[in-house]
Amino acid sequence: SYVLTQPPSVSVAPGQTARITCGGNNIGSKSVHWYQQKPGQAPVLVVYDDSDRPSGIPERFSGSNSGNTATLTISRVEAGDEADYYCQVWDSSSDHPDVVFGGGTKLTVL
Amino acid sequence: QVQLVQSGAEVKKPGASVKVSCKASGYTFTSYDINWVRQATGQGLEWMGWMNPNSGNTGYAQKFQGRVTMTRNTSISTAYMELSSLRSEDTAVYYCARAGGALFDYWGQGTLVTVSS
Repeated sequence: SYVLTQPPSVSVAPGQTARITCGGNNIGSKSVHWYQQKPGQAPVLVVYDDSDRPSGIPERFSGSNSGNTATLTISRVEAGDEADYYCQVWDSSSDHPDVVFGGGTKLTVL
Repeated sequence: QVQLVQSGAEVKKPGASVKVSCKASGYTFTSYDINWVRQATGQGLEWMGWMNPNSGNTGYAQKFQGRVTMTRNTSISTAYMELSSLRSEDTAVYYCARAGGALFDYWGQGTLVTVSS
């Protein structure tokens, strides 16, 4: 089955740029979606189809996807961005299509 | 506005079954698939499967095949997820999510299912 690999944690100072990676075999050929989850809350979609933002999500959130790595970039990080972030794809490469999530990355704002 | 409202917390004994509901409002229920995702405490997100509310067609993750059943009642815009043969490892928060294509654009608030003897 398809595997998505994320770093367990990323730390960044307020005002700096955070980059969270999501690795997968030829992930550049898939559409990647990103979710933010704060403690005790349901996940929220922050980037879809590699680089699009749902309405209401700040422009500070952006995404890219190429080769074997997709990246969620959060510019001008704020304390309120501290959360867990998950990447997700739809894997139709096998005879049993699946939704696959990465293991999640905890973003700490120093 | 789109809302998915789930049923309340459940406590079950090992071997029992649990059925969680997800009531949709603010959109046409039959126009979007409903997916179920669970999360054990301190762990990541785990996809369980999808259901098309219009046709009733379903697709389950291999891990849950034979143990999970997803159904719906279109007259009350409600989706259901039933998990059987519960074990302690099934203790988790269970979420329903509306699928716009292969992404999840709206989520329920989550339902805690605790499996304990």
